Amino acid sequence: GDSVTQMEGPVTLSEEAFLTINCTYTATGYPSLFWYVQYPGEGLQLLLKATKADDKGSNKGFEATYRKETTSFHLEKGSVQVSDSAVYFCALSDRRTSYDKVIFGPGTSLSVIP
Amino acid sequence: EAQVTQNPRYLITVTGKKLTVTCSQNMNHEYMSWYRQDPGLGLRQIYYSMNVEVTDKGDVPEGYKVSRKEKRNFPLILESPSPNQTSLYFCASSQPGGAGELFFGEGSRLTVL
Repeated sequence: GDSVTQMEGPVTLSEEAFLTINCTYTATGYPSLFWYVQYPGEGLQLLLKATKADDKGSNKGFEATYRKETTSFHLEKGSVQVSDSAVYFCALSDRRTSYDKVIFGPGTSLSVIP
Repeated sequence: EAQVTQNPRYLITVTGKKLTVTCSQNMNHEYMSWYRQDPGLGLRQIYYSMNVEVTDKGDVPEGYKVSRKEKRNFPLILESPSPNQTSLYFCASSQPGGAGELFFGEGSRLTVL
């Protein structure tokens, strides 16, 4: 079945460092891909998405490009801030079924230190 | 303000004592779902509902029940909680065809002793 794999954390970076969180997926169809973010004590919220190959999603300085050839959707940010400390979930949506089932990766915890 | 509201946010209970976690959304969404979040496992879907009176099992439904009598509410029921149901629970909603854009509640942390 469909699945999402992302790099193990926790990841600790200094402020203004470059961030990459790797995400790869397995799907038999043409999924939509997402990054969700969970700030401490809160629920998940959508960070960005891409619905077809070569699409780039972007929001709040974060970017990810849908790479069908490598089945990847890596999250990047050029300069992280302390406020970016959170857990990041890569996810895919399976449009083959009658509803949009969302499958999540295990999450990557990011800590940004001043 | 558009939101998904869960209650209680925190609960400690004992094995076998029935409990209900409520979920309500004010966005008129047809689709609602419950997830549990456990370390190293990410989010796993417990149950979902496509619309009023329509519910179906997710990936980990054992030990849980749900009902959808009204569009806005989707309570999660643990008839006889056990320690392996200690977890962080999230309710989410979306519009059908929303292509995976889920709106989440703030979570309910449940401890079963």
